[in-house]
Amino acid sequence: NAGVTQTPKFQVLKTGQSMTLQCAQDMNHNSMYWYRQDPGMGLRLIYYSASEGTTDKGEVPNGYNVSRLNKREFSLRLESAAPSQTSVYFCASSMGQGAPRAEAFFGQGTRLTVV
Amino acid sequence: AQSVTQPDIHITVSEGASLELRCNYSYGATPYLFWYVQSPGQGLQLLLKYFSGDTLVQGIKGFEAEFKRSQSSFNLRKPSVHWSDAAEYFCAVGASNQAGTALIFGKGTTLSVSS
Repeated sequence: NAGVTQTPKFQVLKTGQSMTLQCAQDMNHNSMYWYRQDPGMGLRLIYYSASEGTTDKGEVPNGYNVSRLNKREFSLRLESAAPSQTSVYFCASSMGQGAPRAEAFFGQGTRLTVV
Repeated sequence: AQSVTQPDIHITVSEGASLELRCNYSYGATPYLFWYVQSPGQGLQLLLKYFSGDTLVQGIKGFEAEFKRSQSSFNLRKPSVHWSDAAEYFCAVGASNQAGTALIFGKGTTLSVSS
């Protein structure tokens, strides 16, 4: 029972490099999310996709782009990585809008270091 | 704007003692409230949730939380803490707009358990 799967689990980038974090869910959820977790900051929402074909900015979208490839997959792209983007990135999914559909299920995270 | 405050950054509790983790939220409408737990190097696991009805909700691993609208609080409790409860705990509120619903997290409380 996979749930939410993120790849890769670890990545080291040089400043200015680009990369895409992949996320897939097998729960037939409508909504998907990308968060970043930094020490002492909790989880902050980067982007989310309420349904296939839509995306919206969260609290900290600068420096990131997203693609909702289909209902299962939601990718996060860093076009030109900066040391400030060193973080742990979590993908999550939920059934959709409103209770009780708002419960989010999380992947295991991607630990990204930008040097 | 919606927000979640967890006043305690770090709490240490003796094994077998009771636990209360505080959470205050700011949200204009009826809130959807969640508590998640994160063990080191892991993703987030849902402990419990509140949508409506009985203000005392039961969760997994012996945890419970009480919703108090008058105090804008959703505190997490456990009568007797086990060493395996050492982890980081996050309170979250489901925030909805025309684009969809996303969880807004507090900054977390780290729980240490002493023997």
